[in-house]
Parts: sequence; C-alpha cells; structure tokens
Amino acid sequence: AQKVTQAQTEISVVEKEDVTLDCVYETRDTTYYLFWYKQPPSGELVFLIRRNSFDEQNEISGRYSWNFQKSTSSFNFTITASQVVDSAVYFCALSEADPPGSSNTGKLIFGQGTTLQVKP
Amino acid sequence: DAGVTQSPTHLIKTRGQQVTLRCSPKSGHDTVSWYQQALGQGPQFIFQYYEEEERQRGNFPDRFSGHQFPNYSSELNVNALLLGDSALYLCASSPGVSSYNEQFFGPGTRLTVL
Repeated sequence: AQKVTQAQTEISVVEKEDVTLDCVYETRDTTYYLFWYKQPPSGELVFLIRRNSFDEQNEISGRYSWNFQKSTSSFNFTITASQVVDSAVYFCALSEADPPGSSNTGKLIFGQGTTLQVKP
Repeated sequence: DAGVTQSPTHLIKTRGQQVTLRCSPKSGHDTVSWYQQALGQGPQFIFQYYEEEERQRGNFPDRFSGHQFPNYSSELNVNALLLGDSALYLCASSPGVSSYNEQFFGPGTRLTVL
C-alpha cells in the first residue's frame, strides 16, 4: 500500500534558523514521483518540487533544498535561514507511475502535513 | 493566465442536503482531480476526470459524484450530506493524466455541514 508519513505535526523556529521537515514514504512500485507542496493560510496548495524515483540527486533552489534517499524511503525538505513568510503547512506527497494500460492516473497520496511557524 | 478557479468559496448546508461545487482548470489543462481536506489533515483523493470520464476513484462512497464538461471544467456533487463531509474541497488540474505531471490546485471550497 502507498503511504506517506510526516511525523512532525508542528515545528516552531525563530527567524533565520534552519529547519528540516521529514517525509517517509511506502510504495511497492519501483517507479514513482515525490512532491512537496506548501499550503499558506489562504488554503491554496503551492507546488514546490517534484522528484522521480530514479533521480537521487539532492536539489537546491534558493533557500530550499531537498534530500532524497531511496535506501531509507525518505524525502526531506530543508529551509535555510527561515523567514516569517515561510510559515505555512507543508505536505509531502507520493504518486506512482502509470505504465501503458494502467488505471493509475496521477493520484496524489499526501502525508498529514507539518505546520511550520517561523517567529520574528 | 488564470490559474485554477473554484466556486463558491464558502458554503453552509444542513445534513441530508445536496451540494454542487465547481472548478475551472488552468488554461491548457484537460485533467481535473478533486480532493477532500478535513481540518488538520492532508488532502484525500476523491476522483479524477479526463476526457469527460471518471478515470480513477479514491475510497469515497457513491454519494460523491462528478462530471467534466467539454471545456474541461468540472463539478463535484455530494448527496445526503453528513456532518463528516465538512471539509475544504480542493480541485487540481494538470495537462494530462500522467503521474509525472504537476497538479495545480485551486483555493478550495470550504463546506460546512450543520
């Protein structure tokens, strides 16, 4: 069964601190995709990153970085020098690949989310 | 370029009533997925529409039904509302059904069932 676990329910940091959000996933497929989304108080989910199961290179985008490790089924997200505007709920999600003829059509399986509060 | 739009923003219904939520996908997108997000939880997949057909369905009862129109917009219908149906309903669109595709989400419709 597919499952995404975000064990940290809430994290509170002071501005400029680094913070890492954990994500552990379960899947029996060898080909799958992992995503991170941000949900600010407005409610709209904002796409942050997509990673496929064959690409274990870490990625950095400005203050954001992602560490994908297949050996531990983890896809962790680090914010460096956090800012108040980073305060939001962050979701990790899993989507399995769709081979030809499969009915698997891009359903996202979300974790429970981690609420990040960055205090000034 | 308009993103995904949803209407209404908020809705209050009573138990047993029926509700229809609407979604217009991002320009160029032909696939629409619906998710239910209960308070404090992650979104749960309801179903996905492509070429006006339901392509995949999550673990939701038949009270939840949908439709996709030729212009790719979509409706989510919920019959015989229960208190537990109170949630944020999110619509997401993508350019095709591949699992690789990024899904763009709308702001959601907040449904309250009294």
